[in-house]
Amino acid sequence: NAGVTQTPKFRVLKTGQSMTLLCAQDMNHEYMYWYRQDPGMGLRLIHYSVGEGTTAKGEVPDGYNVSRLKKQNFLLGLESAAPSQTSVYFCASSYIRDNTEAFFGQGTRLTVV
Amino acid sequence: GESVGLHLPTLSVQEGDNSIINCAYSNSASDYFIWYKQESGKGPQFIIDIRSNMDKRQGQRVTVLLNKTVKHLSLQIAATQPGDSAVYFCAENIRVAGKSTFGDGTTLTVKP
Repeated sequence: NAGVTQTPKFRVLKTGQSMTLLCAQDMNHEYMYWYRQDPGMGLRLIHYSVGEGTTAKGEVPDGYNVSRLKKQNFLLGLESAAPSQTSVYFCASSYIRDNTEAFFGQGTRLTVV
Repeated sequence: GESVGLHLPTLSVQEGDNSIINCAYSNSASDYFIWYKQESGKGPQFIIDIRSNMDKRQGQRVTVLLNKTVKHLSLQIAATQPGDSAVYFCAENIRVAGKSTFGDGTTLTVKP
């Protein structure tokens, strides 16, 4: 049982390049989330999904897009990376309603130069 | 009157001592609170949770206290060990919304 798996673990992008971060969970969770974590700060919600085929904006959605085509996968896209998007990105998943405890992936460290 | 513990970005304790980590939350409609532990290079991990209809909950070596009057949450760790060194985050939830808002975190360092 792998839990929440993020790929890749590290990436360096040039300004203007695009990339997709993949999150996969094997716990049959309805809710999935993408957060970013910057030094000295807590986690800020970028986008989230309450079920397959649905997405919603979080606190800091600008510059990112997401898709949830399959229940187990949640993709985070950067169309044109900017240095301000240098961060550690965490994906998480949780059950709907009965348990709001979130299970987190190991993180993706992204550097935009 | 009541005294409320301040949120500190860092906390250093001696091994074996008790630790108290404080958190202030912002939304009086929040009905579920969670403490997470994040070790270096890893994602946050669930420690303990508490619903808004409770004021105290105990786990193994950890206790969470909730004061809704002043919107304050604390995590107490008994007999702190070196393995407890990590960043601790509180999160407030509105369960029907299904998403959390995280605090800034406290870095706990345990000195041997």
